[in-house]
Amino acid sequence: GDSVTQMEGPVTLSEEAFLTINCTYTATGYPSLFWYVQYPGEGLQLLLKATKADDKGSNKGFEATYRKETTSFHLEKGSVQVSDSAVYFCALSRSGGSNYKLTFGKGTLLTVNP
Amino acid sequence: DAGITQSPRHKVTETGTPVTLRCHQTENHRYMYWYRQDPGHGLRLIHYSYGVKDTDKGEVSDGYSVSRSKTEDFLLTLESATSSQTSVYFCAISEERNTEAFFGQGTRLTVV
Repeated sequence: GDSVTQMEGPVTLSEEAFLTINCTYTATGYPSLFWYVQYPGEGLQLLLKATKADDKGSNKGFEATYRKETTSFHLEKGSVQVSDSAVYFCALSRSGGSNYKLTFGKGTLLTVNP
Repeated sequence: DAGITQSPRHKVTETGTPVTLRCHQTENHRYMYWYRQDPGHGLRLIHYSYGVKDTDKGEVSDGYSVSRSKTEDFLLTLESATSSQTSVYFCAISEERNTEAFFGQGTRLTVV
């Protein structure tokens, strides 16, 4: 079945540091890939997405590139801020077949210190 | 923000009692989902719906039932609540099955 594996964390960085959160996936066909962010006490919000190989999703300074050859979708940001502290979830949705759901990784807690 | 409202936002209930959580959307999206979020498990799908009166099980459906009598409402019922169902429950919607999902604010349920 489909699965998503992301680095477990927690990840603690200083403000303005470079961020990478690794995400790899297992799925048949051609999945769409997503990063969601969850701030404390809130629901998940879509951060960025990519729907085909070599696509780069970007939003709010975050980027991720859909790498089919390595089945990866790593999240990066060049300079994190305290306000980026949150839990980040990688997810996939597989096209075709009968898959009606998003499959999530377990989440990575990011804490950014001033 | 997508128009998704979950109610109640917080609930404490006793073991063995039935509980119903409601998800209401104003986006007219076809697909609706119920997830639970637990530490160390991420989000796990309980049930989903692909249209009025069309529902199916997710990966952790035991002890839960759902109903969707209108496009905008998706109800999750815990038939006889147990302590293992203490969790945060999220409703999500999507326009199509392979597009991004939008999440509600969550319902924190405690079963004592």
